[in-house]
Amino acid sequence: GIQVEQSPPDLILQEGANSTLRCNFSDSVNNLQWFHQNPWGQLINLFYIPSGTKQNGRLSATTVATERYSLLYISSSQTTDSGVYFCAVERVGNQFYFGTGTSLTVIP
Amino acid sequence: EPEVTQTPSHQVTQMGQEVILRCVPISNHLYFYWYRQILGQKVEFLVSFYNNEISEKSEIFDDQFSVERPDGSNFTLKIRSTKLEDSAMYFCASRGDGTEAFFGQGTRLTVV
Repeated sequence: GIQVEQSPPDLILQEGANSTLRCNFSDSVNNLQWFHQNPWGQLINLFYIPSGTKQNGRLSATTVATERYSLLYISSSQTTDSGVYFCAVERVGNQFYFGTGTSLTVIP
Repeated sequence: EPEVTQTPSHQVTQMGQEVILRCVPISNHLYFYWYRQILGQKVEFLVSFYNNEISEKSEIFDDQFSVERPDGSNFTLKIRSTKLEDSAMYFCASRGDGTEAFFGQGTRLTVV
């Protein structure tokens, strides 16, 4: 299967700070998504980004498929950004391979 | 916005009992999945379903597990004889052809 590594595993930020989360994967993929798992356990879609760069408000993501990594940028962090961020990759028709996640805590 | 719906949100069952977890995927999606997440751990793949049959399954998905799409809209996961270690959050997901996957809100299964 595809190995997905996320870093850092844990991150504590002061409210208002910026951060970058990284996702490395071991093989070529057709699909890459970023999710935020909220305190209730729900997986919230952030980005569908098999390649290129996308922005949504204070969040943006970049995937460099040829180098097998993706980055998630969080700017001006808020306490509501706290939770676990997962990267997941897929080859079409097969399973998603999830990373181990980055646990983010934003303190006021 | 269309969404994947799972029921129930929380189920408590006794060890050895059968449970059925239900999911309504997004209509016109083609690929369906079940995943689980044991508390504090990563999300693990169980099974994928395409064209009315299992396309891939993990080692976790043994003979105690089965999936069904009984009526063209629902997608169910059955665990025949639950064990304590089956306690987890179970997620259903669906995806169209070449599109992003959407996950349901999860069913938290507690086996006592």
